[in-house]
Order: sequence, then structure tokens, then C-alpha cells
Amino acid sequence: DAGVTQSPTHLIKTRGQHVTLRCSPISGHKSVSWYQQVLGQGPQFIFQYYEKEERGRGNFPDRFSARQFPNYSSELNVNALLLGDSALYLCASSYIGQGAGEQYFGPGTRLTVT
Amino acid sequence: AQKITQTQPGMFVQEKEAVTLDCTYDTSDQSYGLFWYKQPSSGEMIFLIYQGSYDEQNATEGRYSLNFQKARKSANLVISASQLGDSAMYFCAMRDDQTGANNLFFGTGTRLTVIP
Repeated sequence: DAGVTQSPTHLIKTRGQHVTLRCSPISGHKSVSWYQQVLGQGPQFIFQYYEKEERGRGNFPDRFSARQFPNYSSELNVNALLLGDSALYLCASSYIGQGAGEQYFGPGTRLTVT
Repeated sequence: AQKITQTQPGMFVQEKEAVTLDCTYDTSDQSYGLFWYKQPSSGEMIFLIYQGSYDEQNATEGRYSLNFQKARKSANLVISASQLGDSAMYFCAMRDDQTGANNLFFGTGTRLTVIP
């Protein structure tokens, strides 16, 4: 079975631009979470979606938004990019929305803002 | 607020030896989950092991075991018989089961280097 996939792998954007990152969960998984990992730090939670509804939101500004589609894939959108948004963006999927379901991560999208 | 502390920025271990990576956590919740992930230089987070707060037995997965001491709020990862491929960043994470979300709180990580 395919694991979590993310696209694109790498992205370079300019300050003020908008970016859309995409994630496809493992087949059968209905929950998708997004994390931001700045260099030298652990990942920080941005959003969780389960059955197409937002289940959790981390401490990120409104420039960050996300959605989940009927096939459970997800998009993360970031508006008005800042230099500080440069990071590895990780998507994770799990079978259930909460509880003991392990989260399986994708390879990430490395975003560079210049 | 939940907090994960990993006090070892870097660790070295001889190949075939065992190593313990430390993790302490802080939460006022009774129900939570503890995870360890491995992150190679490629960037992907690889799930290693899970321990639920109500699990009485320490979790084990192959060469990985989690030394869970609930009263001390510690969840140390033990890797036995280290291999060169174990060289990577290791992250301890906690999931809060009270909020209804499945988000993880991560520590700052420990970089493990296995020496031949």
C-alpha cells in the first residue's frame, strides 16, 4: 500500500505570495493533520481534519487555512508568505480522528520563502 | 498546557550497543498517548512506538522499547543492538486525548549518531 504522499517536494516562493500544499492520506485513513517544522525544531501542529471537518487548530495566524476533500485528501494554503514561513511542512494521516490511532507522516514539502 | 522535554541534543553510541534517549512530559490530563518518531536526513517522520497512559506494560516493537514511568512523567526510548542505519533525529511526542483532536506535541529532538 502507498504511504502518505505530498506534493510538491520542494517549493520556492517570494514574500507576499500564496502557496498551496497537497497531501493524500493512506488508503482508508480519514484523518489528516498538518505540521510545520522549522529547521532545528520539532514539528508544530497546524490543523487536523477528520471526515472533512476541522477537528483542531494550532497557534497559527489566519493566513494559514486548510480543507479536506471527499476523497480525504487535503490542501494547506498559506497567504501573504513571510520569510518565517520557510519550513518543512508535514502531512500525517491516521485511521481514526482521535484515540490510539498512530499518525503516519508523508515525506514533507520543503518551502523556502525569499 | 502540554510540554515535551528532550534534554539530549546529541547522543553517540557504538554499533551493537544499547542506547537510551530521554523524554519527559508535562500534562494535567489523565488520558494521553506517547510516541517516538525517527526522522532521517530525508525528512520523513517514521513512527517507532506508542504507549498509552493507561497501558500497564511498557511498549516494545522489535529493537525499540519504551521505558514508561508514569509517576516521573518520563517516556524514554531504548534502542537495543544499535545499527548504523539508526543514525537520525529522534522525536518524542505526546497526544492529548481530551481535546477530541489527534494533534501531537513534539519535543526538540535528539540527534543519534551510531559509531562503527
